[in-house]
Amino acid sequence: EDQVTQSPEALRLQEGESSSLNCSYTVSGLRGLFWYRQDPGKGPEFLFTLYSAGEEKEKERLKATLTKKESFLHITAPKPEDSATYLCAVRLSGGSYIPTFGRGTSLIVHP
Amino acid sequence: GAGVSQSPSNKVTEKGKDVELRCDPISGHTALYWYRQSLGQGLEFLIYFQGNSAPDKSGLPSDRFSAERTGGSVSTLTIQRTQQEDSAVYLCASSLTSNTEAFFGQGTRLTVV
Repeated sequence: EDQVTQSPEALRLQEGESSSLNCSYTVSGLRGLFWYRQDPGKGPEFLFTLYSAGEEKEKERLKATLTKKESFLHITAPKPEDSATYLCAVRLSGGSYIPTFGRGTSLIVHP
Repeated sequence: GAGVSQSPSNKVTEKGKDVELRCDPISGHTALYWYRQSLGQGLEFLIYFQGNSAPDKSGLPSDRFSAERTGGSVSTLTIQRTQQEDSAVYLCASSLTSNTEAFFGQGTRLTVV
């Protein structure tokens, strides 16, 4: 069973159509949840870090939120240049410092 | 440079040959990670270095894979006797501490023919 699950796997939006991506994790003891953007042929680009439930971070059209068991990446009025794969990773307590990644959500924004 | 640097960006090798992949982390970052990303797959953890501590090798898929980090900075991932299933993008990342976000390089695309 995956520790980190992202949904949906793929999402197609029209330009300006707001939506949310989900990242849920099945274990307790979160020591950080991270969102990344990955463009084809490139390494993941860091977006946000969230550490505790209720925390929110914003950057341009993106807003990340965190609850006890999941995080949402809200995309407001997306543009075609927001098209990318969005990855979520969690670092758990209990001795492991290694971020575990979900499989990502592939977002396509049509003009 | 300011970011994580990986070389080469692309590597084509024959099955059975050994390859070395290099990672230059961000200066001052104590933690360094290697991941592998196959086509359409998520990031698979390989190995983790933290300061002068013994590395966490729990993600290495076989004993053909090894890595070292010299002087707490540059890291080399070595794959011996490469197989076709080793074809993937190998990503290196570093973080300031073991609790902060990791920053990735652009990756090395390895193709075994």
